[in-house]
Amino acid sequence: KAGVTQTPRYLIKTRGQQVTLSCSPISGHRSVSWYQQTPGQGLQFLFEYFSETQRNKGNFPGRFSGRQFSNSRSEMNVSTLELGDSALYLCASSETTGGLGEQYFGPGTRLTVT
Amino acid sequence: AQSVSQHNHHVILSEAASLELGCNYSYGGTVNLFWYVQYPGQHLQLLLKYFSGDPLVKGIKGFEAEFIKSKFSFNLRKPSVQWSDTAEYFCAVTPGTGGFKTIFGAGTRLFVKA
Repeated sequence: KAGVTQTPRYLIKTRGQQVTLSCSPISGHRSVSWYQQTPGQGLQFLFEYFSETQRNKGNFPGRFSGRQFSNSRSEMNVSTLELGDSALYLCASSETTGGLGEQYFGPGTRLTVT
Repeated sequence: AQSVSQHNHHVILSEAASLELGCNYSYGGTVNLFWYVQYPGQHLQLLLKYFSGDPLVKGIKGFEAEFIKSKFSFNLRKPSVQWSDTAEYFCAVTPGTGGFKTIFGAGTRLFVKA
């Protein structure tokens, strides 16, 4: 099976713009979670989608949003970008939502905000 | 507040030395516990996991971890490290129910000298 894929891999945006990141989970996986990784804050949970519904949400402002499509692919959107949004955004997929599931991570999208 | 603490941020060992990385968590409820590894230039990947049962769990590449409920700890061990174990190691906690809302530790960078 192909692994989790994320596009684009690298992105440079200007402060105030918006950005959309995409994640394709492993075939058959219905849960997709997003994480932000920065040197200062480490890995922080953004949100989880399962069967097109947001299951959990982390402590991020409303500028961060996401959605999941019927084929389980997920997108994450960040509006009104700030310099502090520069980070590696990781997507992880799982067959189940929590419980006894385990997550498989993608390579990430490196976002730089200038 | 829910949190995961990793005791060491940087560890340097010689090959064949024994490894123990500490992890303590603060969470008021049933949890699932994980150790992830990120090799240079690679994705985060699962080393091992604990859901229930035997508190001593074995993972890939000779790693093991022990869950001590009374101490809220889940320490990672390996009897003899190799140069190829050079990587960053993350301890993580998810709630036992209610979906993924994974909390990661800050990570420990391990460098193994050949």
